[in-house]
Amino acid sequence: NAGVMQNPRHLVRRRGQEARLRCSPMKGHSHVYWYRQLPEEGLKFMVYLQKENIIDESGMPKERFSAEFPKEGPSILRIQQVVRGDSAAYFCASSPSGHGTEAFFGQGTRLTVV
Amino acid sequence: DAKTTQPNSMESNEEEPVHLPCNHSTISGTDYIHWYRQLPSQGPEYVIHGLTSNVNNRMASLAIAEDRKSSTLILHRATLRDAAVYYCILTNYGGSQGNLIFGKGTKLSVKP
Repeated sequence: NAGVMQNPRHLVRRRGQEARLRCSPMKGHSHVYWYRQLPEEGLKFMVYLQKENIIDESGMPKERFSAEFPKEGPSILRIQQVVRGDSAAYFCASSPSGHGTEAFFGQGTRLTVV
Repeated sequence: DAKTTQPNSMESNEEEPVHLPCNHSTISGTDYIHWYRQLPSQGPEYVIHGLTSNVNNRMASLAIAEDRKSSTLILHRATLRDAAVYYCILTNYGGSQGNLIFGKGTKLSVKP
């Protein structure tokens, strides 16, 4: 049973470009969470999705950021018109249920905006 | 969500036990205590969780105070691979949406 898969592991974008981060949850998991970790800081919750639905996006910046988890395929975190402050590690986690059960994290995508 | 308080950093010698404390004085009756750790350049990894009773698994032990206002993660024999940031997190099975609220955690250094 493969773990949570994130790709790419490293992504470099110029200011103003779009970044698309992918996350395939563990088999059988329908709950996905995205977190962001700025350099030298802790992880901050961004968004919680359950197949085709956004359950909680309270941690997501209001502009330029969006997330989806379609019926088929991976969850996507999309950042439009990236700025240098978006440079961070973005982690995805999945769980079999949405109420505080053990979460399994991917290895993260390290986004660098130049 | 209730908050937790952990020391910023701790040091241990290899092969010795490590006791990582966590205070959660405002814990509610339905809050579970979870521990995760994050090794350098990796995603967080689940370590252990409990509600009221002490818990043991292959990675660690969790000792929970009788009043539940504090807990201690115990690594029985620290190895160099245990050097990581350890996070103590409260999760409410009854009402939360399931997302984890990470604090600053405790950075554990292990000396050979």
